[in-house]
Amino acid sequence: IAGITQAPTSQILAAGRRMTLRCTQDMRHNAMYWYRQDLGLGLRLIHYSNTAGTTGKGEVPDGYSVSRANTDDFPLTLASAVPSQTSVYFCASSDRTSGGFDEQFFGPGTRLTVL
Amino acid sequence: GQNIDQPTEMTATEGAIVQINCTYQTSGFNGLFWYQQHAGEAPTFLSYNVLDGLEEKGRFSSFLSRSKGYSYLLLKELQMKDSASYLCAAVDSNYQLIWGAGTKLIIKP
Repeated sequence: IAGITQAPTSQILAAGRRMTLRCTQDMRHNAMYWYRQDLGLGLRLIHYSNTAGTTGKGEVPDGYSVSRANTDDFPLTLASAVPSQTSVYFCASSDRTSGGFDEQFFGPGTRLTVL
Repeated sequence: GQNIDQPTEMTATEGAIVQINCTYQTSGFNGLFWYQQHAGEAPTFLSYNVLDGLEEKGRFSSFLSRSKGYSYLLLKELQMKDSASYLCAAVDSNYQLIWGAGTKLIIKP
């Protein structure tokens, strides 16, 4: 693995189903993020984690949950998918240092369609 | 509220120069990023400015004016491969990125 990987690449899901999007990084970054990107809108932060064992809510957290059991993995779960969650989902990570800010590295994205 | 404004779309000619503007309003400010995103791909880092002034990196330069809440990305000697969306993102007081919707740059021969 080099960088950040996401799985699946794309998925079509029936409304009401549960879905987990996977994200793994091998850069030993402490911070990880989940964004959704919709046409005409900027990237919107769903959830983030500044370090393993901690998570926080972003701008649009409703309907999503995350966990950060270790440094490398940051899965995003949709408990009961709805059509408005149709989007492209990007996972990102950064080596976030105290008092500073480092660039975020993005995974290739998961294209999710909820019918 | 927090807001990032940048033009939706711009067109330029191969070999020319183009400037993409970004204005921001955030609660606190800890710097501004520019990312490039080709269609169907992930965003990739271009630049980060936290102090006023111009940062030059090859064909790309980024400018910041903190007092005006303004930044621009300058692309010189445009190439066809520069056709992409350019995303502006400001870092707020909580060190979260506030993203603009992106500027789609179309390069014509």
